[in-house]
Amino acid sequence: AQSVTQLDSHVSVSEGTPVLLRCNYSSSYSPSLFWYVQHPNKGLQLLLKYTSAATLVKGINGFEAEFKKSETSFHLTKPSAHMSDAAEYFCVVTRSSNTGKLIFGQGTTLQVKP
Amino acid sequence: DTAVSQTPKYLVTQMGNDKSIKCEQNLGHDTMYWYKQDSKKFLKIMFSYNNKELIINETVPNRFSPKSPDKAHLNLHINSLELGDSAVYFCASSQFHTGTEAFFGQGTRLTVV
Repeated sequence: AQSVTQLDSHVSVSEGTPVLLRCNYSSSYSPSLFWYVQHPNKGLQLLLKYTSAATLVKGINGFEAEFKKSETSFHLTKPSAHMSDAAEYFCVVTRSSNTGKLIFGQGTTLQVKP
Repeated sequence: DTAVSQTPKYLVTQMGNDKSIKCEQNLGHDTMYWYKQDSKKFLKIMFSYNNKELIINETVPNRFSPKSPDKAHLNLHINSLELGDSAVYFCASSQFHTGTEAFFGQGTRLTVV
């Protein structure tokens, strides 16, 4: 079975400071991992993906995530938060040889203060 | 050009009615999905079709019936709507049905009154 746990339901940072959104996963198989972002009343946009290549993955808008198998983690980071980063972030796992079913974490709301 | 488009964006209807949500993708993908996002923003898969064939059918009430006339379209029909069906429904597509990312539509906010 696969599951994802986002360790913080809400994260608040000041503009210009680093962002860390934490995600742990559980998977009996080789996982593919993603981070998606959802701005208010919008659809989901893919930020970045890990599919068993490089463990440090760079995404759009300056975000990156590191796959750590020993810690079963896939935390999302950004060196400097921007006001436009305020949104809901989802960590997602799927099995590389599955039916394509995405398992979503509970989401983390990122608030960016001026 | 919108990659995955769904209509309508908003849908308000009374209990007991039947409604449909349409979805189209122009990415040439083989696999399409319906996801449901509840009031707590939790997302869960409902259905998945690969080349018009149903491959995932989660524990969804029979009142929900997906239909895929071709691999670029996946519609969702809901019979006898209930208050608990109120949610945001997202259509998505992916190139393959194994381990690849999905591209999502803008969502349909369904409100049952």
